[in-house]
Amino acid sequence: DSGVTQTPKHLITATGQRVTLRCSPRSGDLSVYWYQQSLDQGLQFLIQYYNGEERAKGNILERFSAQQFPDLHSELNLSSLELGDSALYFCASSVGIAGRRNSYEQYFGPGTRLTVT
Amino acid sequence: AQSVSQHNHHVILSEAASLELGCNYSYGGTVNLFWYVQYPGQHLQLLLKYFSGDPLVKGIKGFEAEFIKSKFSFNLRKPSVQWSDTAEYFCAVNTNTGNQFYFGTGTSLTVIP
Repeated sequence: DSGVTQTPKHLITATGQRVTLRCSPRSGDLSVYWYQQSLDQGLQFLIQYYNGEERAKGNILERFSAQQFPDLHSELNLSSLELGDSALYFCASSVGIAGRRNSYEQYFGPGTRLTVT
Repeated sequence: AQSVSQHNHHVILSEAASLELGCNYSYGGTVNLFWYVQYPGQHLQLLLKYFSGDPLVKGIKGFEAEFIKSKFSFNLRKPSVQWSDTAEYFCAVNTNTGNQFYFGTGTSLTVIP
């Protein structure tokens, strides 16, 4: 158990719908990262927040958005869902900001498996 | 843009065989390097990490990796694999100029008893 929690574990929804995925980081971690893992794309970085502020953006679609709240939990919002959005969505947390000399490793949550039908 | 390459997509080994999984990255500056493992149905777990110092790092479960700066490589090794090592292995790189972690596409390892 990494200490990172994600809800829900599974989500099945229809095309065009909107869903919200939730992540609670490890106690004391200020940084949250979101990743999408699909069979054909591998593990793709979506977005990172540090202490409530967006710090880095990866391959995140405009239909997707995220935020980190004052209690440091984060939500990933996926809208106008398409079949191709079906994937495993991971959240990870780390103590600080990546990119510093003593960079911190990330701890991954169990993921949310999204199926769009 | 930085990238991470894992050349072996699928590896099948018999128990007790030695393992080496390749990882190369493209970035000329200072990097931090990681190997993660994802067992079937589970989340990614950190196997080992390199920040600085001895380029040969030892991780959990008998795994080790060697950072060769001149080759931009961070290959994962294990002298004798077990059936329980069957999993997906991901190499990741983080640079000191960015906040992103760059992951390779992963190597699927199957160990046959």
